Amino acid sequence: EIVLTQSPATLSLSPGERATLSCRASQSVSSYLAWYQQKPGQAPRLLIYDASNRATGIPARFSGSGSGTDFTLTISSLEPEDFAVYYCQQRSNWLFTFGPGTKVDIK
Amino acid sequence: QITLKESGPTLVKPTQTLTLTCTFSGFSLSTSGVGVGWIRQPPGKALEWLALIYWNDDKRYSPSLKSRLTITKDTSKNQVVLTMTNMDPVDTATYYCAHISGDSDYFDYWGQGTLVTVSS
Repeated sequence: EIVLTQSPATLSLSPGERATLSCRASQSVSSYLAWYQQKPGQAPRLLIYDASNRATGIPARFSGSGSGTDFTLTISSLEPEDFAVYYCQQRSNWLFTFGPGTKVDIK
Repeated sequence: QITLKESGPTLVKPTQTLTLTCTFSGFSLSTSGVGVGWIRQPPGKALEWLALIYWNDDKRYSPSLKSRLTITKDTSKNQVVLTMTNMDPVDTATYYCAHISGDSDYFDYWGQGTLVTVSS
């Protein structure tokens, strides 16, 4: 089973700052990686799929990169509504796993 | 538009079997590439993928829970059912169902989730 690790566990930033979140897979997942945003009391929302493609309606300040085992989600300039928990998820060999999440909170 | 909604018991006793139903609209589970999956989230913890069923009845399960899970679909009713046997307090979680499209093959639409508590 492929294990995903995310770092840091918590990222404390101010609105307007750049956020860089990392996701690492225990073995190559090619580009089969997605990023989700979850706010308290809400279901997750798909942001990025196949490592770098923005989902429908996702603002351009969200971008994804990487392949193989190392991936990055970048939020170019944090808006107040971006403070949330972010999960990466892989789909390799038709099985799925999620990472433990990175919480982006207000500094 | 695509919507999904989970339903089932809010409280189950240890060792009982949990049956959850996902009722959806806005898409058909007979369309090529489409799937519906189940994901859970214990309070304050991370997401955990459980199972997935595709339009062609192909089924996938989390290896760690495979022996306890069964996923089925009723295309005519627009429903997907998940059963989980031998429930334990550690299975207390919010259970979500979610849609997968043939385009992205990721969970692009989610239900609101239903909290299931396992307690005697």
